[in-house]
This record gives sequence, structure tokens and C-alpha cells, in this order.
Amino acid sequence: QVQLQESGPGLVKPSQTLSLTCTVSGGSISSGDYYWSWIRQPPGKGLEWIGYIYYSGSTYYNPSLKSRVTISVDTSKNQFSLKLSSVTAADTAVYYCARALQRGAVAGKSNWFDPWGQGTLVTVSS
Amino acid sequence: EIVLTQSPDFQSVTPKEKVTITCRASQSIGSSLHWYQQKPDQSPKLLIKYASQSFSGVPSRFSGSGSGTDFTLTINSLEAEDAATYYCHQSSSLPITFGQGTRLEIK
Repeated sequence: QVQLQESGPGLVKPSQTLSLTCTVSGGSISSGDYYWSWIRQPPGKGLEWIGYIYYSGSTYYNPSLKSRVTISVDTSKNQFSLKLSSVTAADTAVYYCARALQRGAVAGKSNWFDPWGQGTLVTVSS
Repeated sequence: EIVLTQSPDFQSVTPKEKVTITCRASQSIGSSLHWYQQKPDQSPKLLIKYASQSFSGVPSRFSGSGSGTDFTLTINSLEAEDAATYYCHQSSSLPITFGQGTRLEIK
């Protein structure tokens, strides 16, 4: 049974870069059938897709965040990571990593998210 | 970007009641619509995939229907443990989007 676990600093200063890592256990990140995703949820609000990565390194980002986001993968460690630059208080959120089943052979197309990590709260404050 | 609009935003219901939550897409998405349940301080859990297919282990009282732009999540005979926020999600086209959520309170 695949499990995902987020890790990283819980407090980031404004204008700095938020960095998180998701460790995958119980399965290989290189399996080829999935996209590895980041999703966030501001306190008391809804879900926002940040982007995802294929094990080969192909990435797909939400245009609303694309200029500040980098998602990378380390297959040797079975991990993938998120970097979000120039953060502000609006980036305060619970950040989740999740697995999305790839849909067919069309690049970037996915299906549902399962499983999800437990989430980690990142607060942007000086 | 495809916008998903859920209704209602909030509903207070009694146990054993039948609940219907709707999700409307701003353009046709076929059946690429999925439903999640999120309980307080937990991560979302997949309930329904492809609009109407129940995910493994999900109680049979949860069902989904619809295609195109209009979708429904139905909970038959509501139980106290169903108090949660429910989200729809479309995977038809990028960027992936979610509905704003529907919070269910059990009286």
C-alpha cells in the first residue's frame, strides 16, 4: 500500500522560498503509471492544485503559480519536491502531496488523486 | 480554466436523511469528475471516480451520477460519521480544478 509523507519547514519568511519534500513508501515513484502532485489548502478554504511531475521529470503547473513553482523528482530516494519562491502570507496553507493516476498516453492527462499525504502546514510570517 | 461550482455551500442534516450535493462545470468534462470527503484535520479521501464509480472500500450509501456539465453526489441514509466537507475535482483539462466544497453538518 503506497503511502506519502510531506516534510519541511513549518515557518517561512516573506519573500523567501518554501521547500517541501514528499517521500513515497510502499511503491516505486518510477512505476510509470502516475503523476506525483502537490495540492494546497489555505486555512478554512478549498483545495488548489499546484502541479505535478512524472518520474521522467516532465512537469505540469497551475498557470496561477507557474512563475514561482518548481517541482522536481529524485527517483533514487523515491521522493519528489516542491519549491515556491517569493512567498507571501497568501501562501500560508496546508500543503499536500498526492498521487494521480495517469490517463492514457496523452501527456499531462490524469485521473483521480489517491492516496494523499497527511499534509503539512506552512506559515509565511516574519 | 474549468470552474466547478458546488451547491449548497453548507447543509445541516439529520441522521438517516438522504443528501444530494451538486457540482456544475463551466464546460463539458465528460465523466472526468471525482468526489472526495475531507474530515476536519484530515486529508481528502477519494469517494467516487469517473462521476459514478465507487472507490474501493467506500460505503455503498455513497453514489455519484452525471456527465457533461452536471454531476451529483448522493449520500443515502446519512450517518454521523459523514460529517465532513465534500469536494468535486475535474481532471478533463489542465489546470486541474476543484469545487469550493460543501460542508455537511449532522444535527
